[in-house]
Amino acid sequence: AQKITQTQPGMFVQEKEAVTLDCTYDTSDPSYGLFWYKQPSSGEMIFLIYQGSYDQQNATEGRYSLNFQKARKSANLVISASQLGDSAMYFCAMRVYNFNKFYFGSGTKLNVKP
Amino acid sequence: GAGVSQSPSNKVTEKGKDVELRCDPISGHTALYWYRQSLGQGLEFLIYFQGNSAPDKSGLPSDRFSAERTGGSVSTLTIQRTQQEDSAVYLCASSLVGNSLNSPLHFGNGTRLTVT
Repeated sequence: AQKITQTQPGMFVQEKEAVTLDCTYDTSDPSYGLFWYKQPSSGEMIFLIYQGSYDQQNATEGRYSLNFQKARKSANLVISASQLGDSAMYFCAMRVYNFNKFYFGSGTKLNVKP
Repeated sequence: GAGVSQSPSNKVTEKGKDVELRCDPISGHTALYWYRQSLGQGLEFLIYFQGNSAPDKSGLPSDRFSAERTGGSVSTLTIQRTQQEDSAVYLCASSLVGNSLNSPLHFGNGTRLTVT
């Protein structure tokens, strides 16, 4: 069975500091992709970053990076230099090749304090 | 280009009425998903369409829920005899499918359904 787990329902971070949002996954399929999405209070789902299971290097997109530890089955999102606009729900998701279906975690609500 | 379009953006209905929610995916995207999101909660998978294959209906919560995808494009989610617990935001998303895993889901802005 495929599963995504986000164990942090809510987190606080001070503006300009870095924050790590945890995500662990479970699949027996060797081919999969991991995604992070941001959902501000306005409700739209915004794609942030992708990591493939065969990628040798951690993905980075601007202030977002993905700390991919394959042996531990974790794909944590790191946001550097937090901004007030980063306050939102963050969802980790996995797409498994043989099922070609997206699985989502329960989300982490991030609050950035001024 | 145009993103995923959902209509209506808001729908208020009386308990017991039927509702139809529409999703127009990004052109060329063969995969289409419906999710439900209750207030402050995560995404609940409802149904997944991929090309001409039989849809994966494993997430539909009851037989009051059904969905169609006509011509491999537009999809309609129908909820019959609505109940108050059906109140939620219904999100549609589409994706390219193929040998590449890196195609993300592109979401519409959702339909907020309120059953009174």
